[in-house]
Amino acid sequence: AQSVTQLDSQVPVFEEAPVELRCNYSSSVSVYLFWYVQYPNQGLQLLLKYLSGSTLVKGINGFEAEFNKSQTSFHLRKPSVHISDTAEYFCAVTDTGGFKTIFGAGTRLFVKA
Amino acid sequence: GAVVSQHPSRVICKSGTSVKIECRSLDFQATTMFWYRQFPKKSLMLMATSNEGSKATYEQGVEKDKFLINHASLTLSTLTVTSAHPEDSSFYICSAEGAHSNTGELFFGEGSRLTVL
Repeated sequence: AQSVTQLDSQVPVFEEAPVELRCNYSSSVSVYLFWYVQYPNQGLQLLLKYLSGSTLVKGINGFEAEFNKSQTSFHLRKPSVHISDTAEYFCAVTDTGGFKTIFGAGTRLFVKA
Repeated sequence: GAVVSQHPSRVICKSGTSVKIECRSLDFQATTMFWYRQFPKKSLMLMATSNEGSKATYEQGVEKDKFLINHASLTLSTLTVTSAHPEDSSFYICSAEGAHSNTGELFFGEGSRLTVL
């Protein structure tokens, strides 16, 4: 079984500051890792994903994430945030065999002017 | 890219009535679709997994007679909330996997907000 822990429920940050949203997972099998973003009253949109290969993956809107197998982490980062990045961010893991996706509790990023 | 559309985006109904929510994959065939429920400021709770042409698999604690799921074609799954009550008010989201997906990436609908009066 897999589990996903997003360590911060809310992250307030000023515009143009860097941000890191933390995600740790546990799994007894190989997994794929995802970050999704949800804007108010909308569905989820894929930000980026790690399947294999380079541990640093780049996504849309200037976000990137680094897969760290030893620490079982997949933290999301952006060097300079914008007001429009205010949203809920979900980390998710999917086992490579059964494709059942487990979501973290979400982190609300609030960008202040 | 893969597009999933949900309809309606918002629905208000009276207690005791039934409401149907549609989830369509517009430009790909989805053999598997998922239905989630999201409470305010909470994560997504998987309700059920629907596979085209077979019965849905419900998660523990989800009443299958209350939340009827039908996946009659490779592009359409429906969720019917039967005899709705105010506690059924929530944001319902569907997602789909592509027919040839081998990564588990999900494509999400826009969500449907149900308010039961």
